[in-house]
Amino acid sequence: DAKTTQPTSMDCAEGRAANLPCNHSTISGNEYVYWYRQIHSQGPQYIIHGLKNNETNEMASLIITEDRKSSTLILPHATLRDTAVYYCIVRVAGNNNDMRFGAGTRLTVKP
Amino acid sequence: GAGVSQSPSNKVTEKGKDVELRCDPISGHTALYWYRQSLGQGLEFLIYFQGNSAPDKSGLPSDRFSAERTGGSVSTLTIQRTQQEDSAVYLCASSLAPNPDTQYFGPGTRLTVL
Repeated sequence: DAKTTQPTSMDCAEGRAANLPCNHSTISGNEYVYWYRQIHSQGPQYIIHGLKNNETNEMASLIITEDRKSSTLILPHATLRDTAVYYCIVRVAGNNNDMRFGAGTRLTVKP
Repeated sequence: GAGVSQSPSNKVTEKGKDVELRCDPISGHTALYWYRQSLGQGLEFLIYFQGNSAPDKSGLPSDRFSAERTGGSVSTLTIQRTQQEDSAVYLCASSLAPNPDTQYFGPGTRLTVL
């Protein structure tokens, strides 16, 4: 699986959009970009994933650059409950392989 | 529908004792995964089941660790002769294999070995 690079931490004001970047310059053509988050003392929570098109669901939007070497997770209106560690994972879908979680980005939403 | 459930939520045991951790995956999910997470650390993959078979046991840290899955549903992770370094949160995830295989995680079992 391709390696990902994320900032260690970020802050965001409550009600504003949180934009979390992820670099994955060695991504392969059949690798998807997944985003999970882990709120303190809870199990990881799936957020969204995509291959090359931008994706949106009830939680977030995923913007993938045309060359697929980076992506951004967007939480459109961050709340205090969105404070968590956010993980960007690149992997081949359908291989039933394990999720390789890196260090992630610790997002703190401030009032 | 119901998510992945794990029991117990917390387990405190004495060094040398055996423990069993249980995972109930999402109904219909054929793939099941066990991970562990030590305090402040990332997730460490332990084992993966497809149905009742475990094609990948590479992550089990020692022969004290074993896991089984019966009926293609519930899985049990057993740790024999527990050691203090086994203290961690043990997480279970399931996915609807083979595609898509987005993994959905349970709340975890916090194991403390005294």
